[in-house]
Amino acid sequence: GIQVEQSPPDLILQEGANSTLRCNFSDSVNNLQWFHQNPWGQLINLFYIPSGTKQNGRLSATTVATERYSLLYISSSQTTDSGVYFCACGVTSGSRLTFGEGTQLTVNP
Amino acid sequence: KAGVTQTPRYLIKTRGQQVTLSCSPISGHRSVSWYQQTPGQGLQFLFEYFSETQRNKGNFPGRFSGRQFSNSRSEMNVSTLELGDSALYLCASSTEGLTEAFFGQGTRLTVV
Repeated sequence: GIQVEQSPPDLILQEGANSTLRCNFSDSVNNLQWFHQNPWGQLINLFYIPSGTKQNGRLSATTVATERYSLLYISSSQTTDSGVYFCACGVTSGSRLTFGEGTQLTVNP
Repeated sequence: KAGVTQTPRYLIKTRGQQVTLSCSPISGHRSVSWYQQTPGQGLQFLFEYFSETQRNKGNFPGRFSGRQFSNSRSEMNVSTLELGDSALYLCASSTEGLTEAFFGQGTRLTVV
């Protein structure tokens, strides 16, 4: 099956800094999503981005499907951005997603 | 529009017991998928139901089963609970096929 790798595994920032999270995937995908897991465990949708570029406030994402990677950019980070960020990919019919191991982001005041 | 609703939120069970978790998808969504999250294995796909039929299945033992009702609500059942089944169980719903999935708040199961 598809392999999804995220980097870095851990990231510590000072408030106001910018960051880039990376997701590499081993096969062509028809679905790619970025999530932020809140402290209570819920996965919050950030982007649905199988290809192209999207922006939502301080967050933006780019997926280069031909080169099999996606990037999540966080600008002017805030302490509330802390948590785990997951990339998930789908390749087959149906809604099966394969998740990466996540990036644990800590933003210090 | 209401989101994905999972019940119960927390559950404590004893080894050997069985448990049933419930998931109500977003209105109009016919696909429901289940995932298990543990510190050691990360987020793993359990199974997906669409129009009351299991469409995809992950690599879990037969003790894990599920079903979907005509109103798209889904249940998953774990029989003969083991300590290793302690996990956060997440349910996701989507419209059909490879479209954006939305997750519920999860059910945190502790097996003692």
